[in-house]
Amino acid sequence: ETGVTQTPRHLVMGMTNKKSLKCEQHLGHNAMYWYKQSAKKPLELMFVYSLEERVENNSVPSRFSPECPNSSHLFLHLHTLQPEDSALYLCASSHLTGGNEQYFGPGTRLTVT
Amino acid sequence: GQNIDQPTEMTATEGAIVQINCTYQTSGFNGLFWYQQHAGEAPTFLSYNVLDGLEEKGRFSSFLSRSKGYSYLLLKELQMKDSASYLCAVSDSWNQGGKLIFGQGTELSVKP
Repeated sequence: ETGVTQTPRHLVMGMTNKKSLKCEQHLGHNAMYWYKQSAKKPLELMFVYSLEERVENNSVPSRFSPECPNSSHLFLHLHTLQPEDSALYLCASSHLTGGNEQYFGPGTRLTVT
Repeated sequence: GQNIDQPTEMTATEGAIVQINCTYQTSGFNGLFWYQQHAGEAPTFLSYNVLDGLEEKGRFSSFLSRSKGYSYLLLKELQMKDSASYLCAVSDSWNQGGKLIFGQGTELSVKP
């Protein structure tokens, strides 16, 4: 596996379900990110982990809970979501120095019913 | 506040040249990125500018003017496969992960 991978690619869940999104990077990066992409809206940064510590939390509702057990893995735990949370969730990683060019995974298309 | 503006849609002809503009207002500046995103796929990195001037990379070039808060992406010899969304993003910090602020994206359609 190379680059940034995400599983699952598609997820349909009810509002009372609990699910988790997984991201793995094989690039030796030390920063990881979760973004939300909704139709016709800019990519929204949700969480940033730098050296496995959360350094950014953009006022994201508590029904989204991130976890970064090591520099290669990032999770987004979901519970009691709302239909407006349906979107494409993208994971990215980068080095901490230099231009911080971010490499994105293919995303998880989430539908909340 | 933080604001990135770019046109929503553009149309161009195969073989032509197109320029996609981006203006920004951010609290900090650590460089400007351009990404390409095909429908249903992940954004992929195209270019990075941190100093004023033009960066050329094959058919794609990117320009930055920090004093004007302005950048453009220039695509030459357009091909049908260049039809995609082009995202302008600004890094607003030097450390702690380099937070990126994205514009809405410009949907480029290349016609035969």
